[in-house]
Amino acid sequence: GAVVSQHPSWVICKSGTSVKIECRSLDFQATTMFWYRQFPKQSLMLMATSNEGSKATYEQGVEKDKFLINHASLTLSTLTVTSAHPEDSSFYICSASGQANSPLHFGNGTRLTVT
Amino acid sequence: RKEVEQDPGPFNVPEGATVAFNCTYSNSASQSFFWYRQDCRKEPKLLMSVYSSGNEDGRFTAQLNRASQYISLLIRDSKLSDSATYLCVVSASGTYKYIFGTGTRLKVLA
Repeated sequence: GAVVSQHPSWVICKSGTSVKIECRSLDFQATTMFWYRQFPKQSLMLMATSNEGSKATYEQGVEKDKFLINHASLTLSTLTVTSAHPEDSSFYICSASGQANSPLHFGNGTRLTVT
Repeated sequence: RKEVEQDPGPFNVPEGATVAFNCTYSNSASQSFFWYRQDCRKEPKLLMSVYSSGNEDGRFTAQLNRASQYISLLIRDSKLSDSATYLCVVSASGTYKYIFGTGTRLKVLA
């Protein structure tokens, strides 16, 4: 089945630093990928839709200058959390689908802790 | 009204019980439907796609009711390992837009 790889699985960083998370589709091409954030005991929250070769589409309330998304190829999207603060500590997950209306496949998530 | 709604639960059931969850959607143009399972501190994993004719995979049965705009998931002979949050996902025709329900939490008790 389709595989989506996300790296790193966990990261601890100091406040003020930036963290880059990679999401790769390993056996299919993904023109569209999605980035989510999930706080403990809460639902997945869609942050943005990453579009290959064009700007990402951000959900309301998500700061595009803080959460930089780059989708430079059909198999890789990156999310950079800039100037991270403790309140950015969360579980970040990406997903991708090979084509519209097909099942989404999720990366294994990145647990970010900002100290 | 939310586009996709689920009862958050938790549903506490004994081992061996049969349990069913429903998920309602508001967009009649919705085309594709999925059930995902999410364990604590893990990513969601596809449990099954939901087809118009209904489909079964072992102890799991999914149904689609387009007239009433809901999908259902039935789990028979519940196992302790079925304890998880079950997410309903709906996609509109020809789009990359996927709408998630908030999830239904299931606890299977020994």
